[in-house]
Amino acid sequence: NAGVTQTPKFQVLKTGQSMTLQCAQDMNHEYMSWYRQDPGMGLRLIHYSVGAGITDQGEVPNGYNVSRSTTEDFPLRLLSAAPSQTSVYFCASSNPSGGLNTEAFFGQGTRLTVV
Amino acid sequence: AQSVTQPDIHITVSEGASLELRCNYSYGATPYLFWYVQSPGQGLQLLLKYFSGDTLVQGIKGFEAEFKRSQSSFNLRKPSVHWSDAAEYFCAVVFNAGKSTFGDGTTLTVKP
Repeated sequence: NAGVTQTPKFQVLKTGQSMTLQCAQDMNHEYMSWYRQDPGMGLRLIHYSVGAGITDQGEVPNGYNVSRSTTEDFPLRLLSAAPSQTSVYFCASSNPSGGLNTEAFFGQGTRLTVV
Repeated sequence: AQSVTQPDIHITVSEGASLELRCNYSYGATPYLFWYVQSPGQGLQLLLKYFSGDTLVQGIKGFEAEFKRSQSSFNLRKPSVHWSDAAEYFCAVVFNAGKSTFGDGTTLTVKP
């Protein structure tokens, strides 16, 4: 059972380059989210999706795009990378039924450096 | 506004000592409450969770947490800390199903 899989694990970009961080889950979860983690700031929500074809902005959406064409996949696109986007990115999924199933399952993270 | 606060950025305890990590939230109702642990270079692992019922919940690795509605708190405890517990701990709440809001984290250092 793979859970939530993120690729790549590490990436270095030059300022202005674009790239896509991949996230896939095999648990048939409706909800998927992208967070960025910066020292001393916990995890901040970038974008989230409550199901295929539905996405919404989180706390820090600027500079990022998402789409959700399937239940399994939720890619995060950096349109024009900036040094301020240097961070560790986590994808998470969860089940919308609530209660004990509301916990988020996390990928292992993508460490992105923008130079 | 809905928020989660972990007042302690860094805590150091001796191995074998007891541990309490604090978490407070601001919300008009009772949210779903979680504690996660993150080892260096790793993703987040769920320690325990609460959504209703008994306010003292047991988790993995010997951790427990107590929900106190009157204090809007969900503090994490462990009676005897092991060196392998050194990590960063995050309190999280789900105010709207599927959207987790995290505290800034507490880094735990364990002295031999």
